[in-house]
Amino acid sequence: DVKVTQSSRYLVKRTGEKVFLECVQDMDHENMFWYRQDPGLGLRLIYFSYDVKMKEKGDIPEGYSVSREKKERFSLILESASTNQTSMYLCASSPRKGTGGRTSGRAAYNEQFFGPGTRLTVL
Amino acid sequence: GESVGLHLPTLSVQEGDNSIINCAYSNSASDYFIWYKQESGKGPQFIIDIRSNMDKRQGQRVTVLLNKTVKHLSLQIAATQPGDSAVYFCAEKFGNEKLTFGTGTRLTIIP
Repeated sequence: DVKVTQSSRYLVKRTGEKVFLECVQDMDHENMFWYRQDPGLGLRLIYFSYDVKMKEKGDIPEGYSVSREKKERFSLILESASTNQTSMYLCASSPRKGTGGRTSGRAAYNEQFFGPGTRLTVL
Repeated sequence: GESVGLHLPTLSVQEGDNSIINCAYSNSASDYFIWYKQESGKGPQFIIDIRSNMDKRQGQRVTVLLNKTVKHLSLQIAATQPGDSAVYFCAEKFGNEKLTFGTGTRLTIIP
């Protein structure tokens, strides 16, 4: 079965701390994404990556950076955490259009596979 | 800018009845529209997608309708069950690999 895992389900940090959120997928997907989810705002894209060492800004990249050194791992970094970064963070992956990847067999390239999320609280 | 939104934030339906969840979109150039379901404590899960040149697509107990004239998307769930209780998101895809999500509708099934 396809799987996206995130390093922590719950995380509490203090203002100004550097925070690392890790995401790993075992489906050999090219694309990986980081979203934050806030009540009433839905999912907003922070950063995404099409391939190793490649990254592109999403809709709300300010205050965040990312790293993709290996195909299966995509890290989100909060350089100096602030209280307004308290949120649920969701990682996702998807195969690139035209590639297969190792999926459940029914996945179209439109389907993003999500991890369970990390609820980050910044005090 | 472009946005994807929902008409209603919450919806309560009697078990066994049909549910209809609506979504308005504004990017008429989107290639695909996709529905996701998010259960409590989990990440969103793909339900069904529809290409922009289609009007209707059916899955298992679900039907998605696309009305491009009024830029409206709906998800119909037949014979709702308690397990259908979740937050449902519509999303649109234009060009590259990323999705733009709506704000979500919480569906509650009343026993």
